[in-house]
Amino acid sequence: RKEVEQDPGPFNVPEGATVAFNCTYSNSASQSFFWYRQDCRKEPKLLMSVYSSGNEDGRFTAQLNRASQYISLLIRDSKLSDSATYLCVVLRDFGNEKLTFGTGTRLTIIP
Amino acid sequence: DVKVTQSSRYLVKRTGEKVFLECVQDMDHENMFWYRQDPGLGLRLIYFSYDVKMKEKGDIPEGYSVSREKKERFSLILESASTNQTSMYLCASRKAGGGSNQPQHFGDGTRLSIL
Repeated sequence: RKEVEQDPGPFNVPEGATVAFNCTYSNSASQSFFWYRQDCRKEPKLLMSVYSSGNEDGRFTAQLNRASQYISLLIRDSKLSDSATYLCVVLRDFGNEKLTFGTGTRLTIIP
Repeated sequence: DVKVTQSSRYLVKRTGEKVFLECVQDMDHENMFWYRQDPGLGLRLIYFSYDVKMKEKGDIPEGYSVSREKKERFSLILESASTNQTSMYLCASRKAGGGSNQPQHFGDGTRLSIL
């Protein structure tokens, strides 16, 4: 079983719609969680951290469910510029800051 | 703004060559990382370093070595390149401490082809 699993997609969503991705992780001792965004042929960039109580940043909402070991990302009122691959990332080694990356979910927003 | 610079965007080498990939960061970050990214496999950690002259193996260190002689520079070395090392290589840096939510900052990547 992979440490971090995501639905690879692709998700093709009309502009303005709401879209949600889930991600599951296998190590119950994981402490920190993130969503990164990667545009085509570009480097990954941090989108947002995921906090236990859930957190929001504009149109983006992240949720963590420790009991079920999954993380979600919700994008409301999607824009064309949201088209990218979204990577679920888990901090697996607190001392050395080693991250485990999911393979990513590809999102395309359709005009 | 954090800047992580990788020496080459595209590189083509031959089987058996010794290949050097260079990475420099300008934010005095303690932690530096080398990943490779392949379709369907995501980013996989090759090596990382948390201080000058310190290095730790990641998940797939075989066929690679690293060097961290200066804090700002972290080099990845392919001792004898093979075709299965054709990949996108990404360098990242991160400030140590400051809480676990400090992000890793990535360079633009080097697309390496081994012929």
